[in-house]
Amino acid sequence: RKEVEQDPGPFNVPEGATVAFNCTYSNSASQSFFWYRQDCRKEPKLLMSVYSSGNEDGRFTAQLNRASQYISLLIRDSKLSDSATYLCVVKREPFNKFYFGSGTKLNVKP
Amino acid sequence: ETGVTQTPRHLVMGMTNKKSLKCEQHLGHNAMYWYKQSAKKPLELMFVYNFKEQTENNSVPSRFSPECPNSSHLFLHLHTLQPEDSALYLCASSQDWTGRVRQPQHFGDGTRLSIL
Repeated sequence: RKEVEQDPGPFNVPEGATVAFNCTYSNSASQSFFWYRQDCRKEPKLLMSVYSSGNEDGRFTAQLNRASQYISLLIRDSKLSDSATYLCVVKREPFNKFYFGSGTKLNVKP
Repeated sequence: ETGVTQTPRHLVMGMTNKKSLKCEQHLGHNAMYWYKQSAKKPLELMFVYNFKEQTENNSVPSRFSPECPNSSHLFLHLHTLQPEDSALYLCASSQDWTGRVRQPQHFGDGTRLSIL
């Protein structure tokens, strides 16, 4: 079983729409959770960390459900510039081990 | 400016050549990573170094040889590569502090490698 699983998509949504991605992780000892964004042929960039109580950054809201071992990302009022692949990432210690999902592709259309 | 610098940005080499990729991080991190990403594929972890010690080798062929002389520098030495090794090679760094586990990875821009 993969450490981190994501729906590859693509999610095709119109501008202004609200879209949500989920991600599940297999190891309950996972300690830290992140969402990264990767544009085509570019490096992944940190979008936001995911905190146990849930957190929001502008149009982006992240939630963590430790009991069910899933993480979610909600994007409100989608912009064309949100089109990218969104990577769910889980971290476990020791030794700084990061586990990346395969990514969910989002296409925001005019 | 990500704080992680990779050189070169692009590299074209023949299968018999020897070349090296370089990564430098200016963030004071103690862990560094090499990833491979082939076209339209997910990231594949290759190597992890913590405090200059290799803590993970993800079954990488010996034609890839990493070197970590200090916590700020990471190299990937390449020799007798195959066409299927053409990919984007990404370096990343992170910090491992007790009680501060919520430390993400920071990536360099990557080296786009093409094997002829």
